[in-house]
Amino acid sequence: ETGVTQSPTHLIKTRGQQVTLRCSSQSGHNTVSWYQQALGQGPQFIFQYYREEENGRGNFPPRFSGLQFPNYSSELNVNALELDDSALYLCATYGTGKETQYFGPGTRLLVL
Amino acid sequence: QKEVEQDPGPLSVPEGAIVSLNCTYSNSAFQYFMWYRQYSRKGPELLMYTYSSGNKEDGRFTAQVDKSSKYISLFIRDSQPSDSATYLCAMTRLQGAQKLVFGQGTRLTINP
Repeated sequence: ETGVTQSPTHLIKTRGQQVTLRCSSQSGHNTVSWYQQALGQGPQFIFQYYREEENGRGNFPPRFSGLQFPNYSSELNVNALELDDSALYLCATYGTGKETQYFGPGTRLLVL
Repeated sequence: QKEVEQDPGPLSVPEGAIVSLNCTYSNSAFQYFMWYRQYSRKGPELLMYTYSSGNKEDGRFTAQVDKSSKYISLFIRDSQPSDSATYLCAMTRLQGAQKLVFGQGTRLTINP
């Protein structure tokens, strides 16, 4: 077990709506990254948060935004949903003493 | 051209066979290399983690990195039906919390 949880497990939205996805990790994991994984593709880096500040961003538009909280939880918000946003959204956390990032189970988003 | 190239397969082999999975990459700055296993509708699970060139063995799994050729491999010995999954290579410039760059993933099926 990685100690990383995500909610919800899956959801369905319509184009133009907004969605919030959540991630929770164990104490001490003060870096969280979000990835988007389209069907049949590898995960793509969206952005990373460290100590509640954005610390790097991939090639995603500003309608993808995030928050990180002091209790080691975080959110990914996506505004104005598009059909191409349908994907598995993964969060990965990293903490001192860990060699690399560990992933949660993901949230599967379907945009109709 | 993608930074990391991975043959998507699918790859189907009989139980007990030796499996070889490979990735090539273009960015010579990559120093840390990982293999993740992903079961259907689950998050990626870290299998192997290596730094720079060389081999690393863990049970039935062996990871090889050849930085001069920008080529990494994962070998699975005595493959089992439970090894059926998608295998993702990933790499990064610096240790730990840095952005991971993934290959597309190879779908592997081990037939009993």
